[in-house]
Amino acid sequence: GESVGLHLPTLSVQEGDNSIINCAYSNSASDYFIWYKQESGKGPQFIIDIRSNMDKRQGQRVTVLLNKTVKHLSLQIAATQPGDSAVYFCAERDSGTYKYIFGTGTRLKVLA
Amino acid sequence: KAGVTQTPRYLIKTRGQQVTLSCSPISGHRSVSWYQQTPGQGLQFLFEYFSETQRNKGNFPGRFSGRQFSNSRSEMNVSTLELGDSALYLCASSWNRDINYGYTFGSGTRLTVV
Repeated sequence: GESVGLHLPTLSVQEGDNSIINCAYSNSASDYFIWYKQESGKGPQFIIDIRSNMDKRQGQRVTVLLNKTVKHLSLQIAATQPGDSAVYFCAERDSGTYKYIFGTGTRLKVLA
Repeated sequence: KAGVTQTPRYLIKTRGQQVTLSCSPISGHRSVSWYQQTPGQGLQFLFEYFSETQRNKGNFPGRFSGRQFSNSRSEMNVSTLELGDSALYLCASSWNRDINYGYTFGSGTRLTVV
């Protein structure tokens, strides 16, 4: 199967601090990117997306940054809350095949 | 507006049996994709359907198959189940593959093969 199969890294942050989750992608033909949040026992939940013709997009408490030069995507969560604890992963869509490729994710733990 | 609905939520099957999972996309969405999620391999693409036609297929054996109906609902079938098929099976829907919006997942079906 297609996947990026690695051990799941964990990011621990204090409640109220900002979180930055990073994602490296390798496909220069990717034109659309999405960040998902997945809580235990649930399906992935759409957080924010960005097209390849943009380098920054902001939502409510979240910001996505795209650096196409180094093929890097990041998700910034402001004032992290306990409810933000989950696994976060990025997805890139190939502009030719329209297939989505998902990262393995980062586990975010919010410390009270 | 209802989200992507997957049934059943949980399933326990015996090795060698076959199973059918169902996915009802968001109303108006015509593209449905299926994924297998396991702790070791993450999200792996199975196949994508649009207007009852399979448009993309991942690298899974022929035991995994799917179909889409005229109302965009989709089913996937796994025959001759193996222990390694235990996973969370997710479907995602969107209006169309080239739309930069709304690639939405269901809650998944947790399949356990014993």
